[in-house]
Amino acid sequence: KAGVTQTPRYLIKTRGQQVTLSCSPISGHRSVSWYQQTPGQGLQFLFEYFSETQRNKGNFPGRFSGRQFSNSRSEMNVSTLELGDSALYLCASSLGVQGAPTEAFFGQGTRLTVV
Amino acid sequence: QKEVEQNSGPLSVPEGAIASLNCTYSDRGSQSFFWYRQYSGKSPELIMFIYSNGDKEDGRFTAQLNKASQYVSLLIRDSQPSDSATYLCAVKGGYQKVTFGTGTKLQVIP
Repeated sequence: KAGVTQTPRYLIKTRGQQVTLSCSPISGHRSVSWYQQTPGQGLQFLFEYFSETQRNKGNFPGRFSGRQFSNSRSEMNVSTLELGDSALYLCASSLGVQGAPTEAFFGQGTRLTVV
Repeated sequence: QKEVEQNSGPLSVPEGAIASLNCTYSDRGSQSFFWYRQYSGKSPELIMFIYSNGDKEDGRFTAQLNKASQYVSLLIRDSQPSDSATYLCAVKGGYQKVTFGTGTKLQVIP
């Protein structure tokens, strides 16, 4: 079955712009989590969506937001981009249901460069 | 104290040796534990998960969990150069939130 798909794979944006990233989870998975990965900070949790609702949130400013659609596809948006937002953004999907297998699978990521 | 701690390494082992990767976590209520492997420039790939105290073996990989000591480890037997990567420990706590360690870089020397 198809894996987790993230688009686009690469993005170059200018400071102050906004960006939207997309993630299509594995079929049947209802949970989508977003992470920011930088060399210095490792994998930082942004937020998790389950059944169109934000279930968990990390410690990122309000410029980072997300949503999930009824087909479980998720988008994250970053407004007013800063140079420090340059990172690999990863999404991970899982079943997300208590008592069910909980392992998560990652997409290939979107490499965002802010100039 | 970080929620999930790993030694950043690099951990260097000769080919054919056993590589031992360690991880400690702070949330005693954590229920699920995962090991991911990440090659440079690639996304993390799930290699093992463990829920119960004790050992879980899968091929050359063994995950060990000790909830009393809040400790989880990954052993790689017969290490190969292709095992050279960063290994991420992840812990799932309440409300399905997953926290990652910063990873241990493993170098297997031919």
